[in-house]
Amino acid sequence: RKEVEQDPGPFNVPEGATVAFNCTYSNSASQSFFWYRQDCRKEPKLLMSVYSSGNEDGRFTAQLNRASQYISLLIRDSKLSDSATYLCVVNIFESNFGNEKLTFGTGTRLTIIP
Amino acid sequence: DTAVSQTPKYLVTQMGNDKSIKCEQNLGHDTMYWYKQDSKKFLKIMFSYNNKELIINETVPNRFSPKSPDKAHLNLHINSLELGDSAVYFCASSQEARGGRVSPYEQYFGPGTRLTVT
Repeated sequence: RKEVEQDPGPFNVPEGATVAFNCTYSNSASQSFFWYRQDCRKEPKLLMSVYSSGNEDGRFTAQLNRASQYISLLIRDSKLSDSATYLCVVNIFESNFGNEKLTFGTGTRLTIIP
Repeated sequence: DTAVSQTPKYLVTQMGNDKSIKCEQNLGHDTMYWYKQDSKKFLKIMFSYNNKELIINETVPNRFSPKSPDKAHLNLHINSLELGDSAVYFCASSQEARGGRVSPYEQYFGPGTRLTVT
C-alpha cells in the first residue's frame, strides 16, 4: 500500500462549483498533515495545514479523520485561479534516526472551467 | 528577494557526464532537502540536512552526493548521469526542529532544476 494515496484526477469543474478531494495515508503514527498546491511547471507551495478539529481558510476547508486515516480538502466557489495540482502531504517517522520526513501524494489535478 | 534559489534552472547533458546543482536559502532555516519529481509528477525526498549534518538519506544511488558547506547551502552532485536521472530536482528548506529530532513542517521549495539526460 502506498504511504499516501490520492485520486490523480483530472477533475474538470465549472467555475463557482464546489469540489472535494480525499487522500488516505497508511502510517497510523503520522501526526502532521498538509495540503500543498503545485502550479504547472512550478514548485509546490503550502496551501494549508490540516488540524484534528478541521480548519478553514477562506474558501478552503480541510478535514482529518484519524480513525479512517484520511484527509480531505473542500474548495467552495471555485475560481479559475484554483486550477493546479493539489498534493496531500503527511509526515512519516524515519525509524533509523527518529526524524520525520514529509511524504507527498502524487497529487490531484484540478482544472476550473470558465 | 528569493527565499530558496537553485541554479541552474535547466540542465541538458549527455549520459555519463558529471553535473552539480546548487541551492541556497536566505530564510535562516536549519534544515534543507533535495527532492526528485519524475515524469509522473511523483515528488520523493532524496536527502535532508540539518545544520550541515545528513539526517535523511533515502535509497538513492551512490552517484548522487549532497554537500552542505554551511546551513544556507545544499548542493547536489551527480556522477555518471543516466537517462533515468531525467527529472525535476527541487531543493527545499524548513525551520522546525525540536529536541534533536527534526520536524519538517512548512517547507519552502526552490523553483526546481529541470535535468534532461540525453
